[in-house]
Amino acid sequence: AQTVTQSQPEMSVQEAETVTLSCTYDTSENNYYLFWYKQPPSRQMILVIRQEAYKQQNATENRFSVNFQKAAKSFSLKISDSQLGDTAMYFCAFIFSGAGSYQLTFGKGTKLSVIP
Amino acid sequence: EPEVTQTPSHQVTQMGQEVILRCVPISNHLYFYWYRQILGQKVEFLVSFYNNEISEKSEIFDDQFSVERPDGSNFTLKIRSTKLEDSAMYFCASGGLAGGLTTQYFGPGTRLTVL
Repeated sequence: AQTVTQSQPEMSVQEAETVTLSCTYDTSENNYYLFWYKQPPSRQMILVIRQEAYKQQNATENRFSVNFQKAAKSFSLKISDSQLGDTAMYFCAFIFSGAGSYQLTFGKGTKLSVIP
Repeated sequence: EPEVTQTPSHQVTQMGQEVILRCVPISNHLYFYWYRQILGQKVEFLVSFYNNEISEKSEIFDDQFSVERPDGSNFTLKIRSTKLEDSAMYFCASGGLAGGLTTQYFGPGTRLTVL
């Protein structure tokens, strides 16, 4: 079974500072994708960034970047120049193509508060 | 930019009643999903749907649940006889132009409250 672990239930960061959210996963698969989703108080799930496991280069999307360490099965999210609108739950998620299964497996989430 | 839509945004129902949650996936996507999130907990997979049939379902998706794609655009989740523990946020997602290993885009969710 695939598992996703987010070890930081809550974090806070000052506005304009940088914060890193941690995620580890456990799988024996070689072909998979990893995602970070953001869930603001409205509870909508918003895709932040994705990483294909076969790519060595870390994904970036504007202020968001990942540190993907495949051997260590680690996938952290760095948010630079934090903004008040970044306040949300952040979920790390994993998907693989084993046996035709394409379900996302989510971690428990990290609640991020950006402090003015 | 295309997006997944869901209706209603909030549904209140009495225990034992049937509810139908509706979703309109992104038009050229081939894979459709329902997920559930009980308040304060992580998002859990319910079911995936491809080529007009269920491709996978979780233990949560028992005989009380069913899904349907009645036409070319809608994707529905029916709960036949709701229980208190069905109270949750239900998310529809779609993905996949070909093959299912791709990004899933979520709708805004339907908050189901069972009284």
